[in-house]
Amino acid sequence: QVQLQESGPGLVKPSETLSLTCTVSGGSISGYYWSWIRQTPEKGLEWIGYIYYIGSTDYNPSLKSRVTISVDTSKNQFSLKLSSVTAADTAVYYCARHYSHFEYWGQGTLVTVSS
Amino acid sequence: DIQMTQSPSSLSASVGDRVTITCRASQSISTYLNWYQQKPGQAPKYLIYAASNLPSGVPSRFSGSGSGTDFTLTISSLQPEDFATYYCQQTSTTVPTFGGGTKVETK
Repeated sequence: QVQLQESGPGLVKPSETLSLTCTVSGGSISGYYWSWIRQTPEKGLEWIGYIYYIGSTDYNPSLKSRVTISVDTSKNQFSLKLSSVTAADTAVYYCARHYSHFEYWGQGTLVTVSS
Repeated sequence: DIQMTQSPSSLSASVGDRVTITCRASQSISTYLNWYQQKPGQAPKYLIYAASNLPSGVPSRFSGSGSGTDFTLTISSLQPEDFATYYCQQTSTTVPTFGGGTKVETK
């Protein structure tokens, strides 16, 4: 059974960069698309972007200027960086395996943007 | 982006009730529509893909229908474990978008 686990700081200061890593276990990262999704009470579920295991990416245009997603196949991990964060980036961040649907999800991690 | 609108935003129902949730897309998405169930403190779990297909392990009381812009999720006989929030999601375009959710609460 494929499992995903997000990790990273739970508190980030405004204007700094949010960094999260998703570790995939129970299966290989190779051959699949991997996404980051966030959830807030105000905006609901928002897709941030995906990376294919070979490194190609696509991002939500609303966040594209601030987002970088990378992959490390040797560690079976992929990562998210979101720069210049504000309070509006406070959310639960999920990683997920992305096919035509999001079939496996991490448990989610709350990231709060605050000084 | 394609906007996904769910109705109702919440509903109250009893165990055994038939429950229907509607999702409307702002433009045609064929059958590129998925449904998810989310319980408090948990990640969403996919219930239905491509509008009407159930993954293995999802109970047959769940069903989905629709194409184009109008879609429906039906729970034929609500069970205690089905009280949750349900989301639709389109994959017709390169930017997947979600509906705002429908919370199914106990009456």
